[in-house]
Amino acid sequence: QQQVKQSPQSLIVQKGGISIINCAYENTAFDYFPWYQQFPGKGPALLIAIRPDVSEKKEGRFTISFNKSAKQFSLHIMDSQPGDSATYFCAASKGAYKYIFGTGTRLKVLA
Amino acid sequence: NAGVTQTPKFQVLKTGQSMTLQCAQDMNHEYMSWYRQDPGMGLRLIHYSVGAGITDQGEVPNGYNVSRSTTEDFPLRLLSAAPSQTSVYFCASSYGGTANEKLFFGSGTQLSVL
Repeated sequence: QQQVKQSPQSLIVQKGGISIINCAYENTAFDYFPWYQQFPGKGPALLIAIRPDVSEKKEGRFTISFNKSAKQFSLHIMDSQPGDSATYFCAASKGAYKYIFGTGTRLKVLA
Repeated sequence: NAGVTQTPKFQVLKTGQSMTLQCAQDMNHEYMSWYRQDPGMGLRLIHYSVGAGITDQGEVPNGYNVSRSTTEDFPLRLLSAAPSQTSVYFCASSYGGTANEKLFFGSGTQLSVL
């Protein structure tokens, strides 16, 4: 079965620090790699996404780093804030229809 | 703008009972899908639809049925509920196609099967 492996399962970071979440995939046919953010009691919401033709994408404090040869990608949250405390999911898809999600990372940012 | 609406928010069933989880979107999205979320397992795709009258299976389709008679609605049916189906269920939609992959999720249905 196609998998996307996500680590760590949980993460505690001090306010102002850098949060890093990693994902690895197996299927080289995947062509879209999004990160979703989920707050308790809510559905996931798209945070940032990347395609394999670029190695990095930055939106504000959030950056995706992509390593095609290693089949890995990561989310970096710079200047982490207590409001960033949430569960983060990486995902991968071939086309727009069948997504494979990682198992999630619960981030807590201490004030 | 309502987005993706799921009902009910909470449901308790007894083993063997049937029920339908409702999902509606008002964004004219062609693509709709159902996921279940379980602790430590992330989100797993149950069924999806690329348009009215077209459905297909995801990773974990057993025990669930779907149909898509309109663009707006995509109900998920549990014909004979089992305790293994205790989960949080999310409906998601998107325009579909390259450059339109962003999924819009509903707020979820928490289902307990006793």
